[in-house]
Amino acid sequence: EPEVTQTPSHQVTQMGQEVILRCVPISNHLYFYWYRQILGQKVEFLVSFYNNEISEKSEIFDDQFSVERPDGSNFTLKIRSTKLEDSAMYFCASSPATGMNTEAFFGQGTRLTVV
Amino acid sequence: QKEVEQNSGPLSVPEGAIASLNCTYSDRGSQSFFWYRQYSGKSPELIMFIYSNGDKEDGRFTAQLNKASQYVSLLIRDSQPSDSATYLCAVKGDGGYQKVTFGTGTKLQVIP
Repeated sequence: EPEVTQTPSHQVTQMGQEVILRCVPISNHLYFYWYRQILGQKVEFLVSFYNNEISEKSEIFDDQFSVERPDGSNFTLKIRSTKLEDSAMYFCASSPATGMNTEAFFGQGTRLTVV
Repeated sequence: QKEVEQNSGPLSVPEGAIASLNCTYSDRGSQSFFWYRQYSGKSPELIMFIYSNGDKEDGRFTAQLNKASQYVSLLIRDSQPSDSATYLCAVKGDGGYQKVTFGTGTKLQVIP
């Protein structure tokens, strides 16, 4: 069964460093998303991406964040200068379309720890 | 600010019983409603979605939607210990928007 894959599964970085989280969405999907979940808190939407551009973003997704689809398969989330409060589980998701009856499929997540 | 509210639990039910999980949402324009299951340290896993008023059944799971009351629920029949997890209610707005808003989740414990 096709799945969304994320690498690495766990990333430890020092405060102020740049990190890139990588995702390979399901191959025929068109919409890509990043969500995050701080430990013990709810899953929060960060950004959606379609047709090589951001289609929607939340207030969390500030100038420190960027997304890119550098080739036909990868979808990346970059955090330019990490802060302690960026420590969270980051989930990539993809969906074949958007609409009422279209669900997003989640990857297994990257646990980011900023020290 | 669109809100999705869930009782955090834990909700404890004996094995074989029916577990009832509830969710309310604030945005009357919400169109699609999802139930995800999340095991500790794992990613959300879709159980089912619903977008029409009424009931939708899939195996042991039944989702119920009442848009007038802005209420959605999930019933799990014949609960099993493997159903023990956090259940996330998620809501999506009009078809033009992809953002899904999650609730904080209800922790379910099925006691053998």
